[in-house]
Amino acid sequence: NAGVTQTPKFQVLKTGQSMTLQCAQDMNHEYMSWYRQDPGMGLRLIHYSVGAGITDQGEVPNGYNVSRSTTEDFPLRLLSAAPSQTSVYFCASSSVEEPGPTYEQYFGPGTRLTVT
Amino acid sequence: AQKITQTQPGMFVQGKEAVTLDCTYDTSDPSYGLFWYKQPSSGEMIFLIYQGSYDQQNATEGRYSLNFQKARKSANLVISASQLGDSAMYFCAMREKTNTGNQFYFGTGTSLTVIP
Repeated sequence: NAGVTQTPKFQVLKTGQSMTLQCAQDMNHEYMSWYRQDPGMGLRLIHYSVGAGITDQGEVPNGYNVSRSTTEDFPLRLLSAAPSQTSVYFCASSSVEEPGPTYEQYFGPGTRLTVT
Repeated sequence: AQKITQTQPGMFVQGKEAVTLDCTYDTSDPSYGLFWYKQPSSGEMIFLIYQGSYDQQNATEGRYSLNFQKARKSANLVISASQLGDSAMYFCAMREKTNTGNQFYFGTGTSLTVIP
């Protein structure tokens, strides 16, 4: 199992450009999510999905779009990049079956994005 | 109000000693879950331990234990017999249920340095 994979690892964008961060998991997890990590802020949830065709907003959704057409993939789209979106982005997945530690989230290695 | 509060930005511990990392949380969901993650300097997020809100006993995983005080809404991580490899950022996180699934919240983290 590859777990959670993210591409690219690094990206530099100019203000106003758009791009898609890719995330895929091979664990058949229903739940997938995107976070951004900024210094001193911890991780903040951008969007999440509980299954194909179902997405919802997290704490900081503005400027980002998501869709979930398959169980495996959960891409994050930046519509018009801004310097405030410079961050490290993590994708994560987990099973939603109860109870207990199956709620553990498995994280991808992260994408470091710089917007100039 | 902050969902997860970690009040210790940085901690030092002598090798082989135990250390406690503080975490308090705020939720009205009766069936929440609490997690601790480790983030070494390489950047990946490593799951350490989980405590469910209905669990009667404190969770333990090897040298990690979670001191769960439900009435005080605290979920402190205790690392026993510290090792140099424990030097990392540590994040406390909480899962609470929403209408469309689960939402996760992370604290701002505690940077732990183990002194040889």
